[in-house]
Amino acid sequence: AQSVAQPEDQVNVAEGNPLTVKCTYSVSGNPYLFWYVQYPNRGLQFLLKYITGDNLVKGSYGFEAEFNKSQTSFHLKKPSALVSDSALYFCAVRDRGDDYKLSFGAGTTVTVRA
Amino acid sequence: DADVTQTPRNRITKTGKRIMLECSQTKGHDRMYWYRQDPGLGLRLIYYSFDVKDINKGEISDGYSVSRQAQAKFSLSLESAIPNQTALYFCATSGRDAGEQYFGPGTRLTVT
Repeated sequence: AQSVAQPEDQVNVAEGNPLTVKCTYSVSGNPYLFWYVQYPNRGLQFLLKYITGDNLVKGSYGFEAEFNKSQTSFHLKKPSALVSDSALYFCAVRDRGDDYKLSFGAGTTVTVRA
Repeated sequence: DADVTQTPRNRITKTGKRIMLECSQTKGHDRMYWYRQDPGLGLRLIYYSFDVKDINKGEISDGYSVSRQAQAKFSLSLESAIPNQTALYFCATSGRDAGEQYFGPGTRLTVT
C-alpha cells in the first residue's frame, strides 16, 4: 500500500518570505515523488518530480523540493513567495514497482498575502 | 490549444440520469486516467487505460464505466447518477515512462 500525508491544510505566508509545504509518504518499495499545483478553476499543473539522483529537485516557477529518504519526506520550498503562488498544492507518490497507481495527498492551500 | 481537453466543463444533472464526460488529448500518450476530486480527499483514481484495448478499474470504479474510443479519446460514464457523485472530475495522460501525468481542466459535475 502507498499513501501520502500533507499535514497542513493551509499555509499562510507574507510575500517575500520563504514558503514550505510539507509532504511525507509511505511506499513498500522505492518512490517516484511529484508536486502539482492547482489554481482556481484549473486542472493540476506539474511542478517537479523526484525519480533518482540528486535529492534536491528544482522545478517550475522557482520551486524546489528535497527528497529525504530517512524521514520519508518530500517538502516543497520556495525561497521568496509571490502573491501569485496562492493555490492548492498536491504531493503524489508512485511505487517504482507499480506501473500506474499515483496516490495523492489531500492538498495544502497556500495563501500569500501582499 | 490545450493538450488535454474535457467536455463539458460544467454539468448539472438529476439523480438517475446517465451522463458522459469526454476527454481528448493531443500529447500522443498511450496512458489515460480518470480521477475525481473531493474537498479534503485529494484525487482518487476511477479508471485507467494503457492503450485502446486495455482498461482497468481504479480504487473507486463502482457506479462508473469508461470507453477508450481511440488513443486520443477516453470517456467516463455515470450510468445512473447519484448525489454523492457530485465532484470535480479530471482526465489525465502520461507517456510510457509513466512519469508525470498531465491533467485536463476538469469537469464540475453536480447531481441533484
